[in-house]
Amino acid sequence: EADIYQTPRYLVIGTGKKITLECSQTMGHDKMYWYQQDPGMELHLIHYSYGVNSTEKGDLSSESTVSRIRTEHFPLTLESARPSHTSQYLCASSEFRSTGANEKLFFGSGTQLSVL
Amino acid sequence: AQSVAQPEDQVNVAEGNPLTVKCTYSVSGNPYLFWYVQYPNRGLQFLLKYITGDNLVKGSYGFEAEFNKSQTSFHLKKPSALVSDSALYFCAVREKTSYDKVIFGPGTSLSVIP
Repeated sequence: EADIYQTPRYLVIGTGKKITLECSQTMGHDKMYWYQQDPGMELHLIHYSYGVNSTEKGDLSSESTVSRIRTEHFPLTLESARPSHTSQYLCASSEFRSTGANEKLFFGSGTQLSVL
Repeated sequence: AQSVAQPEDQVNVAEGNPLTVKCTYSVSGNPYLFWYVQYPNRGLQFLLKYITGDNLVKGSYGFEAEFNKSQTSFHLKKPSALVSDSALYFCAVREKTSYDKVIFGPGTSLSVIP
């Protein structure tokens, strides 16, 4: 069982509100990721981090921002939520190995965000 | 550019029959290949991976996958399907030299019919 936690599990919020999706892992993993997934569709990488104070944008342009002040914590923030942000957001982590071997992803259960 | 295709949106199979979920990929170098499963209301779980070596990889819950370099495929298989195998399955690929990006396919919904 993976030790990666996302809160809240569901969030319904009005347009224009600021929200932060929390993600924490207790495995000491250096690499963390945020994916966006629409129902039944592929996952799109929106942010990732190699470690503390490292953040990078992913393949899908996103108006969200992330921070990595502590190894175990990788929150995602939307300054002003819009209906187009409605989606599922999945956080993941993995060990960093220079060879890439055994670098499997551990996923949280996701946050289903609905912006009205 | 890396890409992953899962040509079937939906696969239906009778319980006890063998199942196959197809995946083809495109990378410029040698690939790392992965299968993940997403059960309803749960996060993605890792099933198996191919890094190097034997082309037939065995994973969790009785699943296996065959790497075929000439056909650039990595199909997921199970000899005898269970109703509890019904879920969404994602194939993923990463170039061995690309440490930061794992690209996922669109997913295939598997329904095992009792």
